[in-house]
Amino acid sequence: QSVLTQPPSASGTPGQTVTISCSGSSSNIGSNQVFWYQQVPGTAPKLFLYKNNQRPSGVPDRFSGSKSGTAASLAISGLRSEDEADYHCAAWDDSLSGPVFGGGTKLTVL
Amino acid sequence: QITLEESGPTLVKPTQTLTLTCTFSGFSLTTSGVGVGWIRQPPGKALEWLALIYWDDDKRYSPSLESRLTFTKGTSSNQVVLTMTNVGPMDTATYYCAHLGDHDDFDVWGQGTMVAVSS
Repeated sequence: QSVLTQPPSASGTPGQTVTISCSGSSSNIGSNQVFWYQQVPGTAPKLFLYKNNQRPSGVPDRFSGSKSGTAASLAISGLRSEDEADYHCAAWDDSLSGPVFGGGTKLTVL
Repeated sequence: QITLEESGPTLVKPTQTLTLTCTFSGFSLTTSGVGVGWIRQPPGKALEWLALIYWDDDKRYSPSLESRLTFTKGTSSNQVVLTMTNVGPMDTATYYCAHLGDHDDFDVWGQGTMVAVSS
């Protein structure tokens, strides 16, 4: 049981916009920034968004993030086949003095 | 360029102690603000944070595993070592070490090392 809650799966067709949600609490998302990691099966996670909505160099601007209260979301517009991966949200948790992760969402491009 | 690489046994027996080493380059763990973390991922399951060590030797552990974990700087200046005692089948996972970035994110990850706990 992960501290942050994500839907186990999401899907869309090429060109569509898909949104992945991440729900937490006041001790994590409610008071800290949210990060998103992309993980292609069989490989290590890769930082995809930080500070709720900032993209590291190399991440397409089709990826955007938002946060409101104790929830966050990742939106992917203009869906492409190479976007197929697992997406994990994370946030620092004040009660743990460390990061917590969501269960991950498997994105399928139909 | 920051890189990290995990190393350790691929198979450990129940009740034994697991020792994992993270060898890194491109940064120094003596530089103010720098940190390294361990995260694991059981097969088909979620990521789980285990421990963090900072440049000043401050250490943080996941409360659920704190009694079994020890995180230290290695004998080489570019290594850190995680020790987990009394392992069991639930500790079977891929273990990753990662660099703690400027925004308290894990901005660079190692490729991971798979550890199976089985008799």
